[in-house]
Amino acid sequence: AQKVTQAQTEISVVEKEDVTLDCVYETRDTTYYLFWYKQPPSGELVFLIRRNSFDEQNEISGRYSWNFQKSTSSFNFTITASQVVDSAVYFCALSDSNTGNQFYFGTGTSLTVIP
Amino acid sequence: DVKVTQSSRYLVKRTGEKVFLECVQDMDHENMFWYRQDPGLGLRLIYFSYDVKMKEKGDIPEGYSVSREKKERFSLILESASTNQTSMYLCASGPSWTRRETQYFGPGTRLLVL
Repeated sequence: AQKVTQAQTEISVVEKEDVTLDCVYETRDTTYYLFWYKQPPSGELVFLIRRNSFDEQNEISGRYSWNFQKSTSSFNFTITASQVVDSAVYFCALSDSNTGNQFYFGTGTSLTVIP
Repeated sequence: DVKVTQSSRYLVKRTGEKVFLECVQDMDHENMFWYRQDPGLGLRLIYFSYDVKMKEKGDIPEGYSVSREKKERFSLILESASTNQTSMYLCASGPSWTRRETQYFGPGTRLLVL
């Protein structure tokens, strides 16, 4: 069973629009960690955020915000007032006790921001 | 800042060649990982290592082997390259499992097997 689902394969928005990237995860553990990464065209994955399962507070960092809802097993990522530099592939990942040192990655969402 | 470097950004090899992909990290991390990234499939784990000379198979180890002789270096080996191994290869490192911190990624190697 897929542990992390990113149902949106590709999204296109016009600059300055808001956009939400969905991430749904599956785990039986009570302790787990969720991550978001950005992969720009250069190829290197850049860490954006880590959230543990005991912290359901939403997080805001500039134009980025994350909505963690355990009730729906979702960890969605919103970019406000999108910019062309936000164009990238975004990955959601899960680490739980079953994965040990491993992470389970979603298949990624490719975001294109059109100027 | 954590630095993970990979020996090549682009590589072109012929079918049947032995291919070495090198990865070096400078943060004294215990864990190192090799992933393969293909369109629509996301990142798939090939192998990982949690200590020198230790290795564990990931989800798709067939056709690959690894070597970790020093803590900072983790090599991925394609014993006999095939066209279906054309892909983007990403190396990552991270501290021990108990710290549950992020993995840090290298810039990737785009491998083309002809």
